[in-house]
Amino acid sequence: GAGVSQSPSNKVTEKGKDVELRCDPISGHTALYWYRQRLGQGLEFLIYFQGNSAPDKSGLPSDRFSAERTGESVSTLTIQRTQQEDSAVYLCASSLDGGSNTEAFFGQGTRLTVV
Amino acid sequence: SQQGEEDPQALSIQEGENATMNCSYKTSINNLQWYRQNSGRGLVHLILIRSNEREKHSGRLRVTLDTSKKSSSLLITASRAADTASYFCAITGGFKTIFGAGTRLFVKA
Repeated sequence: GAGVSQSPSNKVTEKGKDVELRCDPISGHTALYWYRQRLGQGLEFLIYFQGNSAPDKSGLPSDRFSAERTGESVSTLTIQRTQQEDSAVYLCASSLDGGSNTEAFFGQGTRLTVV
Repeated sequence: SQQGEEDPQALSIQEGENATMNCSYKTSINNLQWYRQNSGRGLVHLILIRSNEREKHSGRLRVTLDTSKKSSSLLITASRAADTASYFCAITGGFKTIFGAGTRLFVKA
């Protein structure tokens, strides 16, 4: 597609439920990132996929968080047993590669509200 | 931590003035990028400066990089009310890009 697409754009869920967030990167981009941004805060790195390499999961805050990526296309971020502290905007970005000189293109994010 | 740290956290200026934001980091980098975010949603890439570059310009934007001090600055000249946004530096070292906490810029008309 023309840009990075995320769905849903907004999600309200009850505490304890599982949610799945989707990211469609730009076609041909091998690198994909997930970030979390709480209200008024900076971007918190969650996970990074690069081609067929093992993902860098070092930013996932707990074992309730997981992410998958199918080849070099769609990625899903799953949060199990959601907590109110998970409320945030989840941003996905892709880049041509994860190397030195490529910019990241961002989706518009999914605003997750846990009630 | 490799994360960039911006300062100031918030900046309020009059239209027409220049705005300067700084970013410091702790490890070696491949490049440093600046992004802009409106309304807490997707970020827009502004400019990328490679580790072997010292200064770069793009329109009203000027970015400097001092690898010896591990710092960068973003200068927006002749600011406009439409420049009101949050600005983030992003550090790329190896194959991962990490963002700082951002500077919130408010330009008063």
